[in-house]
Amino acid sequence: DTGVSQDPRHKITKRGQNVTFRCDPISEHNRLYWYRQTLGQGPEFLTYFQNEAQLEKSRLLSDRFSAERPKGSFSTLEIQRTEQGDSAMYLCASSRRGQTDTQYFGPGTRLTVL
Amino acid sequence: AQTVTQSQPEMSVQEAETVTLSCTYDTSESDYYLFWYKQPPSRQMILVIRQEAYKQQNATENRFSVNFQKAAKSFSLKISDSQLGDAAMYFCAYRIRTTYGGSQGNLIFGKGTKLSVKP
Repeated sequence: DTGVSQDPRHKITKRGQNVTFRCDPISEHNRLYWYRQTLGQGPEFLTYFQNEAQLEKSRLLSDRFSAERPKGSFSTLEIQRTEQGDSAMYLCASSRRGQTDTQYFGPGTRLTVL
Repeated sequence: AQTVTQSQPEMSVQEAETVTLSCTYDTSESDYYLFWYKQPPSRQMILVIRQEAYKQQNATENRFSVNFQKAAKSFSLKISDSQLGDAAMYFCAYRIRTTYGGSQGNLIFGKGTKLSVKP
């Protein structure tokens, strides 16, 4: 199995710009998660997909954030009108529905908002 | 609300020695999973070990083992024969398990423990 991949690995943007990140899960994994990790903290859940359906969203996911998984494969996370507080590592994880449903993480996209 | 607490922000161990990282959690659920993840500097998070709450036997994976105390809501990680490559942030995480076996929950993480290994 190839692992979870994320693109880009690093993104520097100016405040007010829109950014989009992509996550490709492990093939055959039907569940996909987005997390945000700020410096010195553990990851915090943002949203979760089972196939193409977005089943859960955290209150951390403001109206400026939107996530999609149109064909149940890769997913995109878009942040509109970025703010300095959006600077963080955005992690994607995937899992296969089953007894343990272990989540496997990608390398993350580090966002810096100037 | 479920919470995960790691009370040791940093730990240090001599190479070849044993170190134990602490984790406590708070939940009203009876069936759940617990995990330890390792995040090396600038590298991705990888699963170290997993424990199902309904299993009394402590999980082990080579040099890694856990001490799961369900009543105390404690889940510590023991690393034996520490190696330089073990240096990383270690995160304890919790997730609820549904009654049908498949989980639909997100992971709840602690703040992590930074482990240093001295040669």
